[in-house]
Amino acid sequence: GENVEQHPSTLSVQEGDSAVIKCTYSDSASNYFPWYKQELGKGPQLIIDIRSNVGEKKDQRIAVTLNKTAKHFSLHITETQPEDSAVYFCAASMGNQFYFGTGTSLTVIP
Amino acid sequence: DAGVIQSPRHEVTEMGQEVTLRCKPISGHDYLFWYRQTMMRGLELLIYFNNNVPIDDSGMPEDRFSAKMPNASFSTLKIQPSEPRDSAVYFCASRVAGGRRNEQFFGPGTRLTVL
Repeated sequence: GENVEQHPSTLSVQEGDSAVIKCTYSDSASNYFPWYKQELGKGPQLIIDIRSNVGEKKDQRIAVTLNKTAKHFSLHITETQPEDSAVYFCAASMGNQFYFGTGTSLTVIP
Repeated sequence: DAGVIQSPRHEVTEMGQEVTLRCKPISGHDYLFWYRQTMMRGLELLIYFNNNVPIDDSGMPEDRFSAKMPNASFSTLKIQPSEPRDSAVYFCASRVAGGRRNEQFFGPGTRLTVL
C-alpha cells in the first residue's frame, strides 16, 4: 500500500515568516494530494489540494507544489499569522482511500 | 448543511464495556469513512462505505470492532469489548461521488477514553 512520510513533525516560525512542510509518497499511482488543517478539538479541514497533472497550485497565502518524478509534495504558507497555528496533514490518494502523513504541528509566534 | 455530525463528542468508559459511536454524514454524500487518530499512528482509515455498503474494512483492527450503515444518513462504529488501547479520537468523514474534488469532509470527532 501507499506510505506517506511528513516532515517536520513540529515547526515554529515568527509571525510574517514563511512555513514549509514536506511530504513524500511511495506509490506512483497516487494522483490526488490534499492538505488538511486540524485545529484543537476539531476535525481536519481541507485547505488546498493538487492533482498529479499539475505541478503547482496557489490560493492566497497557501501554495502546494508537486514533483511526480521524485514523489514529493510540499505546502508553503507565506506571511504566517497566529491563526495559522494548527496541525497540518498531507495525504496521498489514488481513489477513495486517503493515506495520511503523521502531521506537522505549526506554531506561529506573534 | 450542518456538516458531518458525530456523537457523542466525548466518551469515557471502563475496559470491557461496549462503546457505540454515531455519525450522520452530509446529506447527498455517497461515501462514508471511519478514521481513528492516535499520537503514535496518526490518522488511520478503519472502514469505508459506498451507498451504505461496506467496501473496505481492512483497517478494522480486530473483531472487537464493527461498523454498520443501515441507511444513507446514519452509521455506527461499535467496539465490544473495549480495551484501554482503543483510546483515541474517532472521526467520521463523508464525500460525494463524482465531485470536482475528492474532498472528504470530516466531523468533529469522538474522543474515546477507555479506563
